[in-house]
Amino acid sequence: ETGVTQSPTHLIKTRGQQVTLRCSSQSGHNTVSWYQQALGQGPQFIFQYYREEENGRGNFPPRFSGLQFPNYSSELNVNALELDDSALYLCASSRGGTAKGKTQYFGPGTRLLVL
Amino acid sequence: KNEVEQSPQNLTAQEGEFITINCSYSVGISALHWLQQHPGGGIVSLFMLSSGKKKHGRLIATINIQEKHSSLHITASHPRDSAVYICAVRSFMDSNYQLIWGAGTKLIIKP
Repeated sequence: ETGVTQSPTHLIKTRGQQVTLRCSSQSGHNTVSWYQQALGQGPQFIFQYYREEENGRGNFPPRFSGLQFPNYSSELNVNALELDDSALYLCASSRGGTAKGKTQYFGPGTRLLVL
Repeated sequence: KNEVEQSPQNLTAQEGEFITINCSYSVGISALHWLQQHPGGGIVSLFMLSSGKKKHGRLIATINIQEKHSSLHITASHPRDSAVYICAVRSFMDSNYQLIWGAGTKLIIKP
C-alpha cells in the first residue's frame, strides 16, 4: 500500500467522449505526476503538478489536461477520446518540486478502454 | 425487452468443447463489440465488427446485419477462457456514441 489511490479502477468510453480520472496523493506529498502505460509498453510521462501548477509536460496533445487541488489531490482530463488513448493511467505522488531523484509512490492505476 | 439480448446467460462446459455465445439486437448499429471481463474486473476488447467475420486465435466472431445477430465462438475451450463475455452495440442514431450493453454471458470451462 503506497497511500496513493485512484478512481475509477476501470472505465469504458467511446471515441469523442471526455473522461476525468482522479488521484489522491500520499499524505504530505505536494507533487503529482501522471503517466500513460499502453499494453506491453512502459509508462509515458504526461505531466506533473506541483502546488496546483503544471510543472512539466511530456509529449501529449492539449486535449490531455490536469488539475491539482489545494489538498494536492489531482485530476487528469482527456477530451475527444481516441482509440489509442486506451491504456493504464498511473498517478504518482512525491514530496518536493520536481520528482527527479525523489521517490515516487504509484497508485494502482485506472484502466481506460476506448471503443 | 432489452435492445441487446445475449444467450445463454450462463454456460458451463468441459475443456475442449466448442463454445457459442449469441447476441441479438433490435436497433440500427454502426458497430458491435465483443468484450471479455475477468473475475478481477479487468475488461478486454475482443472484437469490433460492422460486417462479416473476424478471427483471433481460438476466438471467432460473426455478425449478420440483416438478421441483427452476432455470435462469438471459442474453439478448443480452456479453463482460462472462463470469464463474462459481453456484447455491446453502438447505435448510429446516437450522436453521443453511447454503447448499449448486453447483460453478459458467464462462461465457466471446467478442466
